[in-house]
Amino acid sequence: DAGVIQSPRHEVTEMGQEVTLRCKPISGHDYLFWYRQTMMRGLELLIYFNNNVPIDDSGMPEDRFSAKMPNASFSTLKIQPSEPRDSAVYFCASSLWGALGNTEAFFGQGTRLTVV
Amino acid sequence: AQSVSQHNHHVILSEAASLELGCNYSYGGTVNLFWYVQYPGQHLQLLLKYFSGDPLVKGIKGFEAEFIKSKFSFNLRKPSVQWSDTAEYFCAALYNFNKFYFGSGTKLNVKP
Repeated sequence: DAGVIQSPRHEVTEMGQEVTLRCKPISGHDYLFWYRQTMMRGLELLIYFNNNVPIDDSGMPEDRFSAKMPNASFSTLKIQPSEPRDSAVYFCASSLWGALGNTEAFFGQGTRLTVV
Repeated sequence: AQSVSQHNHHVILSEAASLELGCNYSYGGTVNLFWYVQYPGQHLQLLLKYFSGDPLVKGIKGFEAEFIKSKFSFNLRKPSVQWSDTAEYFCAALYNFNKFYFGSGTKLNVKP
């Protein structure tokens, strides 16, 4: 398996523009997580899905952020409109639930977003 | 609230020194614990994990961690660090098989 695949790897956009980040989880995994990493706040969980259903989006900073998972092999994180403070590295991770919690999160390479 | 705390934000060591990074979690229920490493410019990779059994867990690259339930701790150790261990280390907890909580990370700088 190729692992968790994220695209694009780098995105530079102007303030006010819409940004869409994409993620393909590992085939067969039933959990998908979106994280944001910044120097100031570290690694923050934004939202996670179980079997394509959003379970907890309490980490989504505001209404400008939205995430979807239309099927088991694809998820998007959208920011509209984008702001400079959204600049960060966004990671997608997936996992497969295992007995007694024998699981782990597999991370993608991340998307480095810069909003100017 | 469920959380993970890493108290060392930045650690500087010389090669061959011993390493111990602290990690504490806040939840008294079912918890599974992990250490991830992030090398510069790369994504997070799993070092080791604890989900049941022997509380002393051995991972890759000579790392180990000990789950001490009474102290709510899962400290990471390595007897002798190398320059190539320079990275950021994240402790994580999975509560009730639910979502992963990550600590704020510890940057390790190993001087040759």
